[in-house]
Amino acid sequence: AQTVTQSQPEMSVQEAETVTLSCTYDTSENNYYLFWYKQPPSRQMILVIRQEAYKQQNATENRFSVNFQKAAKSFSLKISDSQLGDTAMYFCAYSSGGGADGLTFGKGTHLIIQP
Amino acid sequence: SQTIHQWPATLVQPVGSPLSLECTVEGTSNPNLYWYRQAAGRGLQLLFYSVGIGQISSEVPQNLSASRPQDRQFILSSKKLLLSDSGFYLCAWEEGMNYGYTFGSGTRLTVV
Repeated sequence: AQTVTQSQPEMSVQEAETVTLSCTYDTSENNYYLFWYKQPPSRQMILVIRQEAYKQQNATENRFSVNFQKAAKSFSLKISDSQLGDTAMYFCAYSSGGGADGLTFGKGTHLIIQP
Repeated sequence: SQTIHQWPATLVQPVGSPLSLECTVEGTSNPNLYWYRQAAGRGLQLLFYSVGIGQISSEVPQNLSASRPQDRQFILSSKKLLLSDSGFYLCAWEEGMNYGYTFGSGTRLTVV
């Protein structure tokens, strides 16, 4: 079974700083998909960024980028120029391709952006 | 455009009472639908998934059941709630791997 591990329960940085959230996963699949979701206090789950395992290029969405290391099974999220609105729980998630598998989530990292 | 609706937002129910949470999607047909539960301080656990009308699969044994009476409707139910059923329940819709999963706004269930 696939597992997703987030080793940082909580992180705190100053506004405008860059922060990196860690995620590792375990799978025997060669093709799969990785996601980072943001859950603000409203508890709505918001997709931040996604990565396809067969693509070597790291995904980027504005201030958010990932460092995908397939051999190491590592998928970290970098947030540049952090903003107060980035304060939220961040979940790393894995999918082998939808359907019956759904998403497997890590336990999350609580990110706090200090003014 | 595609949207997902989930209700109610908050629910307080006594132990032993029944439960019905509803999720509907718009703007798509034959979606893969999922029910997740998030316990305090933990990630999301997959409870049920459905690939079509009347097709339900469960990931974990539990006091809950799910049904899909229509293509775009997914219902989470219980005949008798337990205290351990308290949590935050999220419905999700898979749009295909090019888009990932879209979540409803969730239901906070407290069993007292």
